[in-house]
Parts: sequence; structure tokens; C-alpha cells
Amino acid sequence: DGGITQSPKYLFRKEGQNVTLSCEQNLNHDAMYWYRQDPGQGLRLIYYSQIVNDFQKGDIAEGYSVSREKKESFPLTVTSAQKNPTAFYLCASNEGTSGSTDTQYFGPGTRLTVL
Amino acid sequence: GQQVMQIPQYQHVQEGEDFTTYCNSSTTLSNIQWYKQRPGGHPVFLIQLVKSGEVKKQKRLTFQFGEAKKNSSLHITATQTTDVGTYFCAGPPRVGGADGLTFGKGTHLIIQP
Repeated sequence: DGGITQSPKYLFRKEGQNVTLSCEQNLNHDAMYWYRQDPGQGLRLIYYSQIVNDFQKGDIAEGYSVSREKKESFPLTVTSAQKNPTAFYLCASNEGTSGSTDTQYFGPGTRLTVL
Repeated sequence: GQQVMQIPQYQHVQEGEDFTTYCNSSTTLSNIQWYKQRPGGHPVFLIQLVKSGEVKKQKRLTFQFGEAKKNSSLHITATQTTDVGTYFCAGPPRVGGADGLTFGKGTHLIIQP
């Protein structure tokens, strides 16, 4: 059963704490992405990775960090430096530059609430 | 940088009426994609348009890509309650890259039975 999984679905954290969001895919995709969605808004790109052990900042990378040690996994850490972390976080993947399409496949998302 | 704009932001229709959302990019796009997000869900890919002037249909949904490859539209004929959700257009910032997509803010479709 192929796809993208994100955990947890809901996450609560206290202000000042770092938190890591999980994203795993078994689609054998090279490229993975993290987006942030705020209520009533579109998706904004945080970080992306086109290959293992390499990643690039997106449009709103400040206050976030990522790693890509395995092809299947692309965890996102929301640090205490992120001023407005409460949002819906979506992970996505696609074939990357080796594929013929930019179509992205999204995970179910994690709703992060900072208390 | 590239900007993608969508109008309207919200659209209320009676069930059975038609619905259209429009998408405009500040730059020429190599392709444009449409996604649907149900309330509480995640975006799901609907279609990709690549050619200038391309028109594609999926049952009651008709997608168009402008001649200049800077604008696109999604038209739904005779809406049903299952059409409720937010429709996003998105385009890649550069040809052949894997840099992620630039999304419009979406059009929220609300259907009154």
C-alpha cells in the first residue's frame, strides 16, 4: 500500500519547545517537500529535498530545520525561533528531476497547535 | 519571484449551479496543476495542463490553460455537494525542476442544497 504518512495527526506543544514532525514515503520518490498552510490560505513552501543528504530552503524556512538521511524520510523540526508555528503542515513528494511531471503527492498533514 | 493569484476567494452556489475559478501567474508556466482539498483533508491532485490553449475534461470538470500559459480556469457544471472544498492551482517556478510548486490561495466552494 504505497503513499505518504505523516505523524502525528494532531500535535500540541508549549511555547519555546522544539517539535519534530514525521514524514515517510514508500513511493520511491526522489524529491520531498514541506509546506505550511494557514487557515483560508494557500500552501507555502518551507523546505525541499531533491536527493538524499541534500535540501534547500523554500520561501519561509526561518525557524524550521530538516534532514534527509534516507530517501524515504524527511522530518521537519519546528524550532522555538518560529514566531507563529500554529498551522497545518503538509509533506509531499514526487519523482523529482528524474520524473516527467511535477505532480505532487501529499500526506494527510499534521495540525500543530502551540499553547 | 513567481506569484500565482486565484479568484474568487470564496464562491457560494446553489446545488446544480455552475462554478468557475480563475488562476493567473505573474510568469509563464511550463505547466499548471489543479488540486482539490476537502474540508479537514489534504490537497489531492486533479489534473496537469502542459500545452498552450489546452482543454481537458473530467466528467463535469473542465480545465483550460491559456494561450500565453499564464492563466488557467476550472469550470464545474451542475455542482453537487461532493464538489465542496477548496480548489488550488499551482505551477512550478522553473521548467523541469523539482523545486516545489507555487500555489494560489485557492477558491473555497460552498454549496447550498
